[in-house]
Amino acid sequence: DAKTTQPNSMESNEEEPVHLPCNHSTISGTDYIHWYRQLPSQGPEYVIHGLTSNVNNRMASLAIAEDRKSSTLILHRATLRDAAVYYCILRGMNRDDKIIFGKGTRLHILP
Amino acid sequence: KAGVTQTPRYLIKTRGQQVTLSCSPISGHRSVSWYQQTPGQGLQFLFEYFSETQRNKGNFPGRFSGRQFSNSRSEMNVSTLELGDSALYLCASSFEQFYNSPLHFGNGTRLTVT
Repeated sequence: DAKTTQPNSMESNEEEPVHLPCNHSTISGTDYIHWYRQLPSQGPEYVIHGLTSNVNNRMASLAIAEDRKSSTLILHRATLRDAAVYYCILRGMNRDDKIIFGKGTRLHILP
Repeated sequence: KAGVTQTPRYLIKTRGQQVTLSCSPISGHRSVSWYQQTPGQGLQFLFEYFSETQRNKGNFPGRFSGRQFSNSRSEMNVSTLELGDSALYLCASSFEQFYNSPLHFGNGTRLTVT
């Protein structure tokens, strides 16, 4: 089962870009990379996902390494509302693939 | 568009009892998955249903079971509750099977076993 590794916590200043890394060295060719974030007392919220190419949406950008063994979630301009736990997970097309969440990265935003 | 709804929001049960949690997915979503979240173990996958069929199951004992109805609503059941089952139980829905479709989570059911 594919697994991801993220730093336990990170800090960033408000209004500055944030780069959240994720390692997934055992990723298979059919695994999609998903990012979610969880605010206190809420369920996780979808942020972005991709397979091979970099992806952009209104919330963030996802940069995927050429060998796909790592990826980076980019918040272009952090706000206090971005303080959350960010999870990077893999999901494959095979029916038996299990969804494995790591501990995530707790992002602190400094005003 | 209404989000994923989980009921009840809070639940207190006694060891040995059983419990049923309910999840109503976003309209049109056919996939529902369930997760257990605890401070020690984090988010752990329980099972995934797609069009009433269980597609995948996590590493949990048989006391944990679920089902999905024809309207995509889902329930999970935990029998013979143990203290360690105290957790936040989260449900998520997606339009297709998860791998290429965003998951939309509810706010969970907080289960306390005493």
